[in-house]
Amino acid sequence: AQSVTQLGSHVSVSEGALVLLRCNYSSSVPPYLFWYVQYPNQGLQLLLKYTTGATLVKGINGFEAEFKKSETSFHLTKPSAHMSDAAEYFCAVSGPSSRSSYKLIFGSGTRLLVRP
Amino acid sequence: NAGVTQTPKFQVLKTGQSMTLQCAQDMNHNSMYWYRQDPGMGLRLIYYSASEGTTDKGEVPNGYNVSRLNKREFSLRLESAAPSQTSVYFCASSVLAGMETQYFGPGTRLLVL
Repeated sequence: AQSVTQLGSHVSVSEGALVLLRCNYSSSVPPYLFWYVQYPNQGLQLLLKYTTGATLVKGINGFEAEFKKSETSFHLTKPSAHMSDAAEYFCAVSGPSSRSSYKLIFGSGTRLLVRP
Repeated sequence: NAGVTQTPKFQVLKTGQSMTLQCAQDMNHNSMYWYRQDPGMGLRLIYYSASEGTTDKGEVPNGYNVSRLNKREFSLRLESAAPSQTSVYFCASSVLAGMETQYFGPGTRLLVL
């Protein structure tokens, strides 16, 4: 069965500092991996996703993530944090359901705080 | 485009009351989903509909029922609300089930007293 672990429920960085949000997954099939962001009182929106091909994936707002199969990781990074990056971030893996269709399995989320 | 819309935005129920959460999408997507979000637990799938005419249980289906009314609409019903169902409910849709990007609605905040 697929699962996702996000290390750290809260991460605090200074404005301009590197952002690193960690995600590890387990999957019995080649995974599709996603990062979603949720701003306060809003729904989730896609930041980036990995399906196949290049393991370094670039997303919106300067974020990127690298798929590392040997480490079963898909960590999210951004070189320089901005105040507007403060939000909750969810890692997700796509896995098979009981009827051979696929569904998303989410991690518990990491809240990013950006200090001035 | 409106994307995914949900009604109502906020609802207060008493234990034992019933209600239906409505969701509609205008992106011609085949698959639709209902999630609940609770602090520290991420999003958990309640039910999903891979295509019009089909529905399947997700991770936490107990106490809920769904109806895929047509390709656009997917409703979630609480027959007898319980305080444990206090949560934020999100509807989402995608072109196909699972592998494709899911697009989320703004959510419904439900408080069961």
